[in-house]
Amino acid sequence: DTAVSQTPKYLVTQMGNDKSIKCEQNLGHDTMYWYKQDSKKFLKIMFSYNNKELIINETVPNRFSPKSPDKAHLNLHINSLELGDSAVYFCASSPSGGAWDTQYFGPGTRLTVL
Amino acid sequence: AQSVTQPDIHITVSEGASLELRCNYSYGATPYLFWYVQSPGQGLQLLLKYFSGDTLVQGIKGFEAEFKRSQSSFNLRKPSVHWSDAAEYFCAVGAAGGSYIPTFGRGTSLIVHP
Repeated sequence: DTAVSQTPKYLVTQMGNDKSIKCEQNLGHDTMYWYKQDSKKFLKIMFSYNNKELIINETVPNRFSPKSPDKAHLNLHINSLELGDSAVYFCASSPSGGAWDTQYFGPGTRLTVL
Repeated sequence: AQSVTQPDIHITVSEGASLELRCNYSYGATPYLFWYVQSPGQGLQLLLKYFSGDTLVQGIKGFEAEFKRSQSSFNLRKPSVHWSDAAEYFCAVGAAGGSYIPTFGRGTSLIVHP
């Protein structure tokens, strides 16, 4: 059983389009995250949700909107896609969101904006 | 705010040779320290972590890391590298208190020659 799953794995789209990435975890964790990994492999946190509530919102354009319908799901919607949004997006979860927690990562979604 | 530096972007070793990947952190108190590995096309997986106690930490896949407070370092080691260890390695730091924002280093790419 996959612990943290993301769909789709690959996403190729045109500039200006709107797209969503879905994430689900079956670990029973309270906290979920979205990370962006750029072409140089630099990994930066975007958002964190704890029990469906937003607790971290880093400096991210407001074209990015996370939504957590329940604590097992955290989706990422992106409006008006730009070339610079091309990256690999990782979803992760952790038991409680504490600094000691291990983060469990999904396989990533490679977004290419043309 | 905490920060993490991985000074080596690429490391090349021969199969069977020993390995040391460097990580330096900046944080006022004792940090939570992690090493994650990212195999090609995959998400990140925890290798090991440290908060307190014995400064030499054992992890999965035969890896270990040593915390040296005086050098603000948490270097990852393996006595004998296997070809399957070729991957991207990330050091990360967590800070207790307040909203937890995990900080990752830029990663070190390990290349293993047969």
